Amino acid sequence: AQSVSQHNHHVILSEAASLELGCNYSYGGTVNLFWYVQYPGQHLQLLLKYFSGDPLVKGIKGFEAEFIKSKFSFNLRKPSVQWSDTAEYFCAVTSFSGGYNKLIFGAGTRLAVHP
Amino acid sequence: NAGVTQTPKFQVLKTGQSMTLQCAQDMNHEYMSWYRQDPGMGLRLIHYSVGAGITDQGEVPNGYNVSRSTTEDFPLRLLSAAPSQTSVYFCASSFLGTSGGDEQFFGPGTRLTVL
Repeated sequence: AQSVSQHNHHVILSEAASLELGCNYSYGGTVNLFWYVQYPGQHLQLLLKYFSGDPLVKGIKGFEAEFIKSKFSFNLRKPSVQWSDTAEYFCAVTSFSGGYNKLIFGAGTRLAVHP
Repeated sequence: NAGVTQTPKFQVLKTGQSMTLQCAQDMNHEYMSWYRQDPGMGLRLIHYSVGAGITDQGEVPNGYNVSRSTTEDFPLRLLSAAPSQTSVYFCASSFLGTSGGDEQFFGPGTRLTVL
């Protein structure tokens, strides 16, 4: 079965620090990859997505992610975090099999940014 | 365009009671799904549907039923609530797209407590 692993469950950073959140998935076929963010008290919003093409994907709010197929990874990065980036971040993968697709999430990484 | 709506926002049940969580979308999305979010476990797929009359199980389907009689609505039924079903439930929808799916849009969630 597919699975998605997020390496860090909790990350604490100071403002202006750089961020990298790890994500690895287990499915070997064609995949679509997503990072979602959940700000405190809110529902999930899409940060960025990868379907095909350039493996370096740029999303909203200065986030980017790199798809490395050989490593089954899709790590999220931001050069300089802000206090407003405090949120929970979820990596997710869909695969197309048997005519249906399922979106499988990682356990999430809770990011706290201190001023 | 209301997006994905869910009702109720909060619900408290006693063990053994039944209830239906409502989900509706006005974006003409083929794909709809239900997730539960538990601390440290991310979002886990309960059931999903790729169109009216077509549903399938996700990772954690036990104790839940779904049906999809229209494109817009995808209710989730708990037939006999158990404390283990205490969670936050999110409904999501998307176009099916190519290569496995498209960005999913999430509702605001229903926080369910089973005593």
